[in-house]
Amino acid sequence: DAGVIQSPRHEVTEMGQEVTLRCKPISGHNSLFWYRQTMMRGLELLIYFNNNVPIDDSGMPEDRFSAKMPNASFSTLKIQPSEPRDSAVYFCASSLTENYGYTFGSGTRLTVV
Amino acid sequence: KNEVEQSPQNLTAQEGEFITINCSYSVGISALHWLQQHPGGGIVSLFMLSSGKKKHGRLIATINIQEKHSSLHITASHPRDSAVYICAVSSGTYKYIFGTGTRLKVLA
Repeated sequence: DAGVIQSPRHEVTEMGQEVTLRCKPISGHNSLFWYRQTMMRGLELLIYFNNNVPIDDSGMPEDRFSAKMPNASFSTLKIQPSEPRDSAVYFCASSLTENYGYTFGSGTRLTVV
Repeated sequence: KNEVEQSPQNLTAQEGEFITINCSYSVGISALHWLQQHPGGGIVSLFMLSSGKKKHGRLIATINIQEKHSSLHITASHPRDSAVYICAVSSGTYKYIFGTGTRLKVLA
């Protein structure tokens, strides 16, 4: 298995632009998580999907953030409009069940200038 | 006080040394994870523990549920072990509480 695949690896965008991050979970994993990592706050859970349904989006910082999981093999995290404070590494992780160990993707390093 | 505390925050060792990283937590847990993150890299899950001890190669993880403490040991450390090691605990749900990480540098 190729693991959890995220794209792009790096994204540099201007403030105000829309940013879309993509994630392909491991086949057969029914839980998918989006995390944000910053120096100040460490790893923060943004949203959790189970069987493609958003279960907990309480970590999504503002309405500028949205996430979708149209099918079991694809999820997106969108920021519109982006702001410099959104600069962080965004990780996608999947697991067999919500209580099983995670497999993380390689992350997307987002820089908003 | 953070619910998950790691020590030390930073650690520099010489190649070959035995390394111990500690994690203490204040909540009831069902599982504890040790994660590894190389500079600029992704996050790799090293261990998931709910009791006792696990070993994988030169890495050993232990947990004492009564004392709410876990340790990650690296034997015969190598420069490629240089990374941030993160402890994360779960109380039985999908939500994890993450420690702030221990930054390890192993010098050749």
